[in-house]
Amino acid sequence: QKEVEQNSGPLSVPEGAIASLNCTYSDRGSQSFFWYRQYSGKSPELIMSIYSNGDKEDGRFTAQLNKASQYVSLLIRDSQPSDSATYLCAVKEWSNMLTFGGGTRLMVKP
Amino acid sequence: NAGVTQTPKFQVLKTGQSMTLQCAQDMNHNSMYWYRQDPGMGLRLIYYSASEGTTDKGEVPNGYNVSRLNKREFSLRLESAAPSQTSVYFCATLGDYGYTFGSGTRLTVV
Repeated sequence: QKEVEQNSGPLSVPEGAIASLNCTYSDRGSQSFFWYRQYSGKSPELIMSIYSNGDKEDGRFTAQLNKASQYVSLLIRDSQPSDSATYLCAVKEWSNMLTFGGGTRLMVKP
Repeated sequence: NAGVTQTPKFQVLKTGQSMTLQCAQDMNHNSMYWYRQDPGMGLRLIYYSASEGTTDKGEVPNGYNVSRLNKREFSLRLESAAPSQTSVYFCATLGDYGYTFGSGTRLTVV
């Protein structure tokens, strides 16, 4: 059973702080990694994708991947109340399917 | 606007009734997916279609059937609805940068 694990939270951070969201996965053959944001009552939307070890930055978001440790993370700098949502980690193996973690609920307090 | 369109957005069924959830995409993607999302369970794959004319079971297929009518459309049918099928259902397509989700169908079976 391929697994993607996330702490369900809630993770509470003050406005302007860095939010760090973590994800581990079980399948060493995993090739692609995605972070989705889901607001309450809405569908998931893609924030970041990462395919190779290291960091990938896009605006206030940085995705980090460590395949040796089977670990992927998402950093949100200068967190805003509008960032309050559930963040889903997803992993793609050789097939064209994503396996999702249960999501981490982030709360950014003004 | 390009994207994934799901209908209906909301539905209430009585136990034993049947219904079909519709999904259509105009992104010219080959692969399409049906997920259900339940509190604490994350997104779970029901069925998927790698290309027109093919369908395969996912993690939780029991109680559901699908039809890939053409490249654009992928429908999900509940033949005899059960309260355990109360959930939010998402259709998704796979592109070069991950999944694009429809807006979801909130189904309640009473």
